[in-house]
Amino acid sequence: AQSVTQPDIHITVSEGASLELRCNYSYGATPYLFWYVQSPGQGLQLLLKYFSGDTLVQGIKGFEAEFKRSQSSFNLRKPSVHWSDAAEYFCAPVKQTNFGNEKLTFGTGTRLTIIP
Amino acid sequence: GAVVSQHPSWVICKSGTSVKIECRSLDFQATTMFWYRQFPKQSLMLMATSNEGSKATYEQGVEKDKFLINHASLTLSTLTVTSAHPEDSSFYICSARPAGLNTGELFFGEGSRLTVL
Repeated sequence: AQSVTQPDIHITVSEGASLELRCNYSYGATPYLFWYVQSPGQGLQLLLKYFSGDTLVQGIKGFEAEFKRSQSSFNLRKPSVHWSDAAEYFCAPVKQTNFGNEKLTFGTGTRLTIIP
Repeated sequence: GAVVSQHPSWVICKSGTSVKIECRSLDFQATTMFWYRQFPKQSLMLMATSNEGSKATYEQGVEKDKFLINHASLTLSTLTVTSAHPEDSSFYICSARPAGLNTGELFFGEGSRLTVL
């Protein structure tokens, strides 16, 4: 069965510190991979995505993620967090098809708290 | 580009009434839209997949007679919560996939918070 796991429910880091949010997936083949961010009471914004090619992808707001096939992981990183990064982060894989109608499955999310 | 708008952003209704939430893709056509439900401090739970011109596909455990979905055009999908009860109170989020985009990427609305008294 297809699944996605975000092991960390809540992470607290100091402003200016580095950040890594973990995401592991279990799919029959490499899926497309996304990271979305959700601020309180808001919809979701796409941070970055991986389809193929370079395994290190750059996103908005200084975020990056690295796809590791051997570990079935797609961890999100940022070298130095800002207070405005406090939000909920969701990893979401989707099965690769030619039809474009596959559903996006979300991880449980990681809530990021930033302390001054 | 790729903006999705939901309306209303919040609604309060009495128990037993029906509420309609609209999801519009403003600058693209969307053959497929998805409706999610999110409880406080939880992840998004997919409710149904809405395809333009056909019946929605509901996830297991989602009552299709309770949550009516209509996708009458390439830019509009609606979710109607019928005979709403307090347990239907939640944050409902729609998303849309541009027609012809086969990369799986979705664009999300701002969400609609429903409170049933």
